[in-house]
Amino acid sequence: AQSVTQPDIHITVSEGASLELRCNYSYGATPYLFWYVQSPGQGLQLLLKYFSGDTLVQGIKGFEAEFKRSQSSFNLRKPSVHWSDAAEYFCAVGPVSGGFKTIFGAGTRLFVKA
Amino acid sequence: ETGVTQTPRHLVMGMTNKKSLKCEQHLGHNAMYWYKQSAKKPLELMFVYSLEERVENNSVPSRFSPECPNSSHLFLHLHTLQPEDSALYLCASSQDPGSSYEQYFGPGTRLTVT
Repeated sequence: AQSVTQPDIHITVSEGASLELRCNYSYGATPYLFWYVQSPGQGLQLLLKYFSGDTLVQGIKGFEAEFKRSQSSFNLRKPSVHWSDAAEYFCAVGPVSGGFKTIFGAGTRLFVKA
Repeated sequence: ETGVTQTPRHLVMGMTNKKSLKCEQHLGHNAMYWYKQSAKKPLELMFVYSLEERVENNSVPSRFSPECPNSSHLFLHLHTLQPEDSALYLCASSQDPGSSYEQYFGPGTRLTVT
């Protein structure tokens, strides 16, 4: 069965420090991969997505993610975190075989300290 | 209005009440979704509509009844809910219903069942 694992329930980083949020998926083929962010009281917003091609994907707000097939991972990174990045981050996968069900991870809550 | 809107933003209802959640998308999309977001659990897909036709029903109890009168509007009718149904209900839309399409989310309705 397809699954998405975000191993870290929450992470705290200092403002200006680098960030890496982990995501691992389980799927028979390379799925469509997404990262979404949810700020308090808001819905989810797409940060970036990977379908094929270059394994390093650039997104909005200075985020990037790298797809590593051998590790079934799609980790999200940012070189310098801003206080406004404090939010919950969700990794998601969609099957390339079709279907309508995008599967979301449980999320990682990011705290940013001054 | 732009994007995806949801009303009401907050709802408190008793177990014997009947209420409805409303979602409207202003993006010209063909697919709409209902998700349930509970604390510390991944997003749960409830229903998917494509051009007003339900294409996915994810084993949701019959006390939740969706309605999609046109491609811009989606409702979730609620009746005889249980306390465990308390959650954030998110509506989303996408260009088409395939899993490759990014989804645009509304801010959600925070539902409390007493």
